[in-house]
Amino acid sequence: DAKTTQPTSMDCAEGRAANLPCNHSTISGNEYVYWYRQIHSQGPQYIIHGLKNNETNEMASLIITEDRKSSTLILPHATLRDTAVYYCIVRGPSGTYKYIFGTGTRLKVLA
Amino acid sequence: GAGVSQTPSNKVTEKGKYVELRCDPISGHTALYWYRQSLGQGPEFLIYFQGTGAADDSGLPNDRFFAVRPEGSVSTLKIQRTERGDSAVYLCASSLIPTYEQYFGPGTRLTVT
Repeated sequence: DAKTTQPTSMDCAEGRAANLPCNHSTISGNEYVYWYRQIHSQGPQYIIHGLKNNETNEMASLIITEDRKSSTLILPHATLRDTAVYYCIVRGPSGTYKYIFGTGTRLKVLA
Repeated sequence: GAGVSQTPSNKVTEKGKYVELRCDPISGHTALYWYRQSLGQGPEFLIYFQGTGAADDSGLPNDRFFAVRPEGSVSTLKIQRTERGDSAVYLCASSLIPTYEQYFGPGTRLTVT
């Protein structure tokens, strides 16, 4: 599974869009990009995933570049409750399907 | 519906003791994973079950760690002769089928004194 690189921390003003980048330059053609977040003292929470097309759900949007070497998670209107550590994970469709987490991006939403 | 549950939520034990950590996955989920998370780090994979069998135990750090899932539902992570370095949050996750996203429980915080 490909490794990912994320900024250590980011701040975002409440009500503004939070854009969290992720680099995955060694991603293979059949590997998916997953995003999770972990609020303090809780288990990681699934947000969204994609292969090559942009994806949107009720929580966020995922933009994957055409060469698939990077992606951006967008929280359109960040709230204080979005303060968390956000993990970008690359996982193949075959094998054991385990997640390999990095250290993630600590997002702080400011009032 | 009910999510993944883990018991106990907190466990304090003395060095050298044996502990068991329990995971109840979401009903009907065939895949189950254990991860371990140390302070300030992302979760680290330990073991993956597909049904009753351990399909991948490559993340278990040594032979003091063992996990079972005898009926393909509840799983127990067992740690023998605990060491202070085993102190961490142990997370369980399940997914409907392995290719789907994983849903995590709240974790068990293990402290070895």
